[in-house]
Amino acid sequence: EAQVTQNPRYLITVTGKKLTVTCSQNMNHEYMSWYRQDPGLGLRQIYYSMNVEVTDKGDVPEGYKVSRKEKRNFPLILESPSPNQTSLYFCASGQASGYTDTQYFGPGTRLTVL
Amino acid sequence: AQSVTQPDIHITVSEGASLELRCNYSYGATPYLFWYVQSPGQGLQLLLKYFSGDTLVQGIKGFEAEFKRSQSSFNLRKPSVHWSDAAEYFCAVGAGGTSYGKLTFGQGTILTVHP
Repeated sequence: EAQVTQNPRYLITVTGKKLTVTCSQNMNHEYMSWYRQDPGLGLRQIYYSMNVEVTDKGDVPEGYKVSRKEKRNFPLILESPSPNQTSLYFCASGQASGYTDTQYFGPGTRLTVL
Repeated sequence: AQSVTQPDIHITVSEGASLELRCNYSYGATPYLFWYVQSPGQGLQLLLKYFSGDTLVQGIKGFEAEFKRSQSSFNLRKPSVHWSDAAEYFCAVGAGGTSYGKLTFGQGTILTVHP
């Protein structure tokens, strides 16, 4: 089954404790992206990747890191989480034509930073 | 920098009525434009997209949208709304050139459908 998986689905952590949210897709997609969703703000793109070892900043990259060492994985790293990073996070992937084609979204990760 | 505005935070319509959701964008070149829908507790689903050509685009679930360059708008329409259309709708603009891949969403419009 074609899918994008994210782990964990729910996470409660404390300020400053490094964490990683994993994202994996089984569709051999070249394009992958991370978004955060906050009430009243819609989705905001954090980082995106057009291919392995190619990443770029979205609209809200501050406080986040990503890496793309394999085509299927695109982890989101919070080196020192802060309460303002409490949010719902979505990973997505798309075809080689990129984000202009259908993006497949993961189920979301709800992160709470205390 | 690209941006998207969805002026209506919440819209309520009766089942069977027509629907128009507004979207205004800001982008220096020809934009890539999208409408996504998110049902409660779900991820996003692409309804339709515009890149070039015919300014009236057809999407899934009976939705259509019209690109109006002079008004910087990309409004979503449906002639007859069904109760299952209740969801949150997001308009998005994508960049080209060296920023190809960068996608900016609007704040979203919540649609409520009354029976």
